Amino acid sequence: AQTVTQSQPEMSVQEAETVTLSCTYDTSESDYYLFWYKQPPSRQMILVIRQEAYKQQNATENRFSVNFQKAAKSFSLKISDSQLGDAAMYFCAYRSPAGGTSYGKLTFGQGTILTVHP
Amino acid sequence: EAGVAQSPRYKIIEKRQSVAFWCNPISGHATLYWYQQILGQGPKLLIQFQNNGVVDDSQLPKDRFSAERLKGVDSTLKIQPAKLEDSAVYLCASSFVFGSYNEQFFGPGTRLTVL
Repeated sequence: AQTVTQSQPEMSVQEAETVTLSCTYDTSESDYYLFWYKQPPSRQMILVIRQEAYKQQNATENRFSVNFQKAAKSFSLKISDSQLGDAAMYFCAYRSPAGGTSYGKLTFGQGTILTVHP
Repeated sequence: EAGVAQSPRYKIIEKRQSVAFWCNPISGHATLYWYQQILGQGPKLLIQFQNNGVVDDSQLPKDRFSAERLKGVDSTLKIQPAKLEDSAVYLCASSFVFGSYNEQFFGPGTRLTVL
């Protein structure tokens, strides 16, 4: 079974600074998908960024980018120019390809609480 | 575009009572998921539907939890009888098609407190 580990329960950053959230995962599959989700205090989970394992190029979405190291099974999220609205719980998630025994379900890490200081 | 709707938003019950949660996915989304999120943890998949058929319910405690998705649209998750450890937020999510890359859209969740 796949596992996802986020080793940083809490992180903090000053507004306008850069912060990196860590995520490692364990899998025997070669094809999979990785996601970062943001969950603000209102609890509506929002997709931040996603990465296909077969792509070597790291995904980027505006101020959010990832560092995907497939061999190391590492998938970190970098938030540049942090804003107060970035404060939330961030979850790293793994998804198997459809058709396998895992049916493409999302496996989440434990989450990292990000605090942004003005 | 309307998002995933869930009700109620909050529910407090005594242990051994029954409770039901309702979810209305985004229109046209064939796949629906129920997750359990215990405080301080990541969401855990309970059950996944493709249209009105169950794709994965391997982590659903079937002795007390049940779920249905009639007509492939709305879904109901029921707990009977509830235990203290069922206190959690229950999240519903939907996606357009069954596939790994398709984004899952989440509802606001139902926070259940079992006393």
